[in-house]
Amino acid sequence: DGGITQSPKYLFRKEGQNVTLSCEQNLNHDAMYWYRQDPGQGLRLIYYSQIVNDFQKGDIAEGYSVSREKKESFPLTVTSAQKNPTAFYLCASILTGTGRGTEAFFGQGTRLTVV
Amino acid sequence: DAKTTQPNSMESNEEEPVHLPCNHSTISGTDYIHWYRQLPSQGPEYVIHGLTSNVNNRMASLAIAEDRKSSTLILHRATLRDAAVYYCILRDPGRNFNKFYFGSGTKLNVKP
Repeated sequence: DGGITQSPKYLFRKEGQNVTLSCEQNLNHDAMYWYRQDPGQGLRLIYYSQIVNDFQKGDIAEGYSVSREKKESFPLTVTSAQKNPTAFYLCASILTGTGRGTEAFFGQGTRLTVV
Repeated sequence: DAKTTQPNSMESNEEEPVHLPCNHSTISGTDYIHWYRQLPSQGPEYVIHGLTSNVNNRMASLAIAEDRKSSTLILHRATLRDAAVYYCILRDPGRNFNKFYFGSGTKLNVKP
């Protein structure tokens, strides 16, 4: 079955450590997105990528980094520079350029806790 | 990118219809109106989308105002499983690097 997979579901990190969240999709989607969600809040855009080897900063990119070496994969690294990394992280993908306004697919999220 | 405005929360009784409003006064001619919903501790899921005409699917109906500056998501018979946060989003599929913004959404509470 086609879909988008995030791993791990739960992640604990010590302060000062970098950690990488995985996002893989087999939907052949071009665009991929990373969002952060804090308790009781909406989704805020961290980074997005339209094509392989290219990505753009969203509204809250500081302290995060991404790569897009393969169409299927868009990993997010939370660096030690991120002051308050504890949050729920969501990855999404969507087919672009079809002119029909197709739907986005989301992963089930990774809950990151800094201990 | 055009933004949307939704009420923070709404309440409904089980098995009654629910009308969730969304204002998007700065919508452009090529923006599609998308609705997603998010259950607790899960990723959002697609509900419905439309451009100009009203749309129906197995989950819901989407009513779009004639001037397209507002829309309404209609759940015909709310169930307890419909309790979620509902997001109204505008997206132009033809625009490169579209950011696909989510706002805070409307939290729907369904009472038994």
